[in-house]
Amino acid sequence: DAMVIQNPRYQVTQFGKPVTLSCSQTLNHNVMYWYQQKSSQAPKLLFHYYDKDFNNEADTPDNFQSRRPNTSFCFLDIRSPGLGDAAMYLCATSPRDRVHEQYFGPGTRLTVT
Amino acid sequence: GQSLEQPSEVTAVEGAIVQINCTYQTSGFYGLSWYQQHDGGAPTFLSYNALDGLEETGRFSSFLSRSDSYGYLLLQELQMKDSASYFCAVRSLTGGGNKLTFGTGTQLKVEL
Repeated sequence: DAMVIQNPRYQVTQFGKPVTLSCSQTLNHNVMYWYQQKSSQAPKLLFHYYDKDFNNEADTPDNFQSRRPNTSFCFLDIRSPGLGDAAMYLCATSPRDRVHEQYFGPGTRLTVT
Repeated sequence: GQSLEQPSEVTAVEGAIVQINCTYQTSGFYGLSWYQQHDGGAPTFLSYNALDGLEETGRFSSFLSRSDSYGYLLLQELQMKDSASYFCAVRSLTGGGNKLTFGTGTQLKVEL
């Protein structure tokens, strides 16, 4: 089945220690998104790729970076995680002409100790 | 800027009908999506309205009034498995129309 895969599902990192979260998709969708979701809150968009074009949200901290080496893969790098970065990180994809219909991966729950 | 408002919590009994409202403020509105998210799970797409009126998909329907900047999700014949959070999300000209802004979410509790 075509899907969005996120690894790992759970990640524990130390304060200030860089961490990378990965996302892959077999849907061949052009657009990929990274969201941060904290408990009982809405998903908050960090950035998205429209094909190779990178779009950063104005309020995304510089601490967060992303790479999309090809259509199928996207990475979220947190350079120096703080305690406030503990959250669920969701990757989503959509076709270019149906961005209202996003397909989400299962998420990576990040714990910062 | 953009803002979306939803009730924080709704409770209903199994078999009943429930309506979850969403009001929004945005510029360059394209359409309104609805997503369901179970505890610990990922959001899943339910429906999308670009035009005024009602869209029906099985037990779920979604309505949009562009002139009132208002929409709702209607869930019929409620089942226990419908207990989840429901988010409305606006697609607008912001970001070139290639992204969604999510509302605060409504937690639906279905009781026996």
